[in-house]
Amino acid sequence: DAGVIQSPRHEVTEMGQEVTLRCKPISGHDYLFWYRQTMMRGLELLIYFNNNVPIDDSGMPEDRFSAKMPNASFSTLKIQPSEPRDSAVYFCASSRSPQGEKLFFGSGTQLSVL
Amino acid sequence: DQQVKQNSPSLSVQEGRISILNCDYTNSMFDYFLWYKKYPAEGPTFLISISSIKDKNEDGRFTVFLNKSAKHLSLHIVPSQPGDSAVYFCAASARGATNKLIFGTGTLLAVQP
Repeated sequence: DAGVIQSPRHEVTEMGQEVTLRCKPISGHDYLFWYRQTMMRGLELLIYFNNNVPIDDSGMPEDRFSAKMPNASFSTLKIQPSEPRDSAVYFCASSRSPQGEKLFFGSGTQLSVL
Repeated sequence: DQQVKQNSPSLSVQEGRISILNCDYTNSMFDYFLWYKKYPAEGPTFLISISSIKDKNEDGRFTVFLNKSAKHLSLHIVPSQPGDSAVYFCAASARGATNKLIFGTGTLLAVQP
């Protein structure tokens, strides 16, 4: 079974541009999580979905960030407009339950905003 | 406000010796703790976990210790191997509450041959 698939692997963009990160969770997993990794804050939970419905978006830093899950096999995280401080690695993860040990991560998207 | 803290950004040990990675937490509602391991250019993978009803959990070369009164946990790797070189993240959740997994900032472990 394929793991969590994220695209693109790397994204370089200029400040002010729109950025869209994509994620395909593992088939059959009902929970999908978006995390951001920075040196200062480690792995921060941005938002998570259960059965395609956003459950907790309290980690989304500001209105420039939005996430959608139109179906069970696809999710997007959008940043509009992007800023240099958004530069980080963004991970998508999925699980059959919200409990940590069954969380499977994708390889991440390295975002650089110039 | 960092609820899960890993105060050592990096650690270097010799192959065959013990590696001890530390983690502190502030939220007394946390009752489940995990360690994840991350290699470069890969996502984190689950390593070992412990419930607050226990003070120790062992899995092969990896042992996690929990000291609830001190709000402290540690991961011991014995013996350390070069393939253990990675970033280790400590994480915690309050399972009866939101089930959100809160991660620390990570510790980079380098095992020298």
